[in-house]
This record gives sequence, C-alpha cells and structure tokens, in this order.
Amino acid sequence: KAGVTQTPRYLIKTRGQQVTLSCSPISGHRSVSWYQQTPGQGLQFLFEYFSETQRNKGNFPGRFSGRQFSNSRSEMNVSTLELGDSALYLCASSPLGEWGEQFFGPGTRLTVL
Amino acid sequence: GENVEQHPSTLSVQEGDSAVIKCTYSDSASNYFPWYKQELGKRPQLIIDIRSNVGEKKDQRIAVTLNKTAKHFSLHITETQPEDSAVYFCAAKRGTYKYIFGTGTRLKVLA
Repeated sequence: KAGVTQTPRYLIKTRGQQVTLSCSPISGHRSVSWYQQTPGQGLQFLFEYFSETQRNKGNFPGRFSGRQFSNSRSEMNVSTLELGDSALYLCASSPLGEWGEQFFGPGTRLTVL
Repeated sequence: GENVEQHPSTLSVQEGDSAVIKCTYSDSASNYFPWYKQELGKRPQLIIDIRSNVGEKKDQRIAVTLNKTAKHFSLHITETQPEDSAVYFCAAKRGTYKYIFGTGTRLKVLA
C-alpha cells in the first residue's frame, strides 16, 4: 500500500495570508490526525477527523481548521498567518478509531515571513 | 488536562551501552502506549507499542515496560548502535481520544 502523502512539501507565505495543506491517508484508513511540530514544542495535536467528522480537537486558535472528505483525504487551513505558525505540519492516518497504529506522512514545511 | 512527561530530553550513550527513556502519563484510563522514532528530516515511525493489558513487550533490541499503578512506561534499547541516534517520542491514548505525546528525547549514540 502507498504511504501517507502530503502536499505541498514546502510552502512559503507572508503574514496575514492563508494556507491550505492536504493529506491523503493510506487506503482504507478512516482516521486522519494533524500535528504541528516545532523544535521546542515537540508534536502538538491539532485535530482528528474520523469518517468526515472532527472527533478530537487540540488547543489551537480558530484560525486553524480542517475537514475530511468522503474518500478520507483531509485538508487543514490556517487563516491570517502569523510568524509563529512556521512549523512542520504532519498528518497521520489510522485504520481504526481505537487501536490502529498511526502512520505519519512526510509533513509540509510552512515558513511564514 | 492530560499530559505525558518524558525524560530525559537528551541522552548520550556509548555504542554498545543501553539507553532508557521514561514517560509518565496523567490519564489513568490511557490504554495504548506507542513509541516513535524520528530521524533527522524524516517522519516519525512507530518502533514499538504496548497495550494496558500487557506489562512488557520486546522486539529484538527494543523493549517497553508499563507500570499502570505508577502510570509510567519506559523504552529500553540494548546494544545501542549509531543508527539508533534519533529523537524518540512516547505517547499515551485512551480509546478513541487523541494521542498525547511526550516532548521527545534526543538520543546520541557515540561511536
């Protein structure tokens, strides 16, 4: 099976702009989670989608949003970008809601200037 | 809120020695505990996991132990090799709730 893919891999934006990142999970996986990774903060959970519904949410402002489509592909959107949003954004997919191993994508490196 | 504390933040060992990384979780209902390895510039990859009904699990040079009473689990790597150098993350999960990750341990294996 193909692994989790994310597009784009690199992105440069300026403050105030918005950005949309995409994640394609492993075929058959219904759960997609998003994480923000920065050098000093480790892996910070953004949200999880399962069968097109947001099931879990982290402690991020409303500028961060996401959605999942019927084919399980997911997108996350960040509006009104701030310098502090510069990070590696990782998505991860799982086959089941409770016990499935979580597989990470390669990430999207977002730089906000 | 729930959290996972991970120690140490950095660890240097001589090649061939053992390395131990420890995590403590706050949610007593957590029932799944994975460990991820992230090499520089790469994605995190699962290296071993344990469920709450098991006290220990081994996979070649890697083992994980779980103490539910103390809400504590540890990663043990024996006979370390230079390719073990990476950042290791522990995590805890309860049912369909979100994963809670530790802050990571940077392991350096010195040749």
